[in-house]
Amino acid sequence: GAGVSQSPRYKVTKRGQDVALRCDPISGHVSLYWYRQALGQGPEFLTYFNYEAQQDKSGLPNDRFSAERPEGSISTLTIQRTEQRDSAMYRCASSIGPRGATDTQYFGPGTRLTVL
Amino acid sequence: KNEVEQSPQNLTAQEGEFITINCSYSVGISALHWLQQHPGGGIVSLFMLSSGKKKHGRLIATINIQEKHSSLHITASHPRDSAVYICAVKETSGSRLTFGEGTQLTVNP
Repeated sequence: GAGVSQSPRYKVTKRGQDVALRCDPISGHVSLYWYRQALGQGPEFLTYFNYEAQQDKSGLPNDRFSAERPEGSISTLTIQRTEQRDSAMYRCASSIGPRGATDTQYFGPGTRLTVL
Repeated sequence: KNEVEQSPQNLTAQEGEFITINCSYSVGISALHWLQQHPGGGIVSLFMLSSGKKKHGRLIATINIQEKHSSLHITASHPRDSAVYICAVKETSGSRLTFGEGTQLTVNP
């Protein structure tokens, strides 16, 4: 199917390493969101794009986290100098229109990041 | 206090029972989402609503904007409904969704 895909599905890394998480949204979807979900909790907003423009990055926890979507399609979330507290499920979602969170969002399967 | 609170946190029911999950929020919103997280971890959007009521199969979602409250109902529950149900709101200002912590539903045969 042509749903939202994410890669890798699982990533184990050592503390201090950089990681890049990829999201491939549904073709033609304008909006793309990144969320982080700790075990047993609801997702937490990280950042949001309309086309290639990053509309809101206020949820990024600190300057080690960054995201880009250079051609308005695939997005990469990069975490530099990873720390153990960064371990979580990182989810991507996309929606068809540019109306932010007032459109239905389609979620990817997530990347489970473990920092040792 | 979280901006979005769900109750109950955990719910166990027998097959066939009528289920209600509640969501209360403390901010002005332009939309409220109900999501289902499967045991395998995948998240599926069930409803998005800004007023009134929506129905899809055995699922019904209602919202009362004045009372800042929404409910998700499941009629004739089935073991396959077992999942975490998450409420999320889009504030009137801003572009983000704020999520509740979810309700773990277990339906026993």
